[in-house]
Amino acid sequence: RKEVEQDPGPFNVPEGATVAFNCTYSNSASQSFFWYRQDCRKEPKLLMSVYSSGNEDGRFTAQLNRASQYISLLIRDSKLSDSATYLCVVTLNQAGTALIFGKGTTLSVSS
Amino acid sequence: NAGVMQNPRHLVRRRGQEARLRCSPMKGHSHVYWYRQLPEEGLKFMVYLQKENIIDESGMPKERFSAEFPKEGPSILRIQQVVRGDSAAYFCASSLGQGEGPQHFGDGTRLSIL
Repeated sequence: RKEVEQDPGPFNVPEGATVAFNCTYSNSASQSFFWYRQDCRKEPKLLMSVYSSGNEDGRFTAQLNRASQYISLLIRDSKLSDSATYLCVVTLNQAGTALIFGKGTTLSVSS
Repeated sequence: NAGVMQNPRHLVRRRGQEARLRCSPMKGHSHVYWYRQLPEEGLKFMVYLQKENIIDESGMPKERFSAEFPKEGPSILRIQQVVRGDSAAYFCASSLGQGEGPQHFGDGTRLSIL
C-alpha cells in the first residue's frame, strides 16, 4: 500500500463548480498534513496546512480525519487559475522533516 | 530574489558523466531538503541536511548519489556515472529550522541523460 494515495483524476469542471479531492495515508504515526499545488511540474507551492479541527482559507477548505487516516480538500467557486495538480502531503514525525507526497490529483477548470 | 535558488534549471549529461546540482536556501534558512520527481511520478524525499551535517539520507540511492551542505556556499547534490533512469526533476526545499515553518521549494533542475 502506498504511503499517500490520491485519485489521479483528471477532474474536469466548469468555472464556478465545487470540487472535492480525497487522500488517504497509510502510517497512523503521521503528524502533519498539507495540501500543495503544482503547475505543469513546476515547483510545488504550499496551498494550506491541514488541522484536526478542519480549516478554511477563502474558497479552500481542508479536513482531516485521523481515525480514518483521510484528508480532503474542497474548492468552491472554481476559477480557471485553479487548474493545477493538487498534492496531498504528510510528515511522519512531530518535527516534520521529510515530506511524503501523493502523486497528485489533476484539476482542469474550463470556461 | 530571496527564494530558494537552484541551478542550473536544465542540465543535460551523457551516460557515465557526473551531474552536480546546486541549491541556495532562502535567506535565514539553514535546513535543506532534496526531492526527486521521476516522469509521471510524485515527489520522493532524498536527503535532509543542515550546515555541514547530513541529518536524514534515507531516501538516497545507495550508490552514485551524494549530497553536502558546506559551511559556506550552496548545497550540492552530486550524481556520479549517470544513467538514463536518473532523468528527472530534482527539487530543493528549505526551512527555517527542523519543524519550523513550511518547506519552500526552488524551481528545480531538470536533468536529462542522453
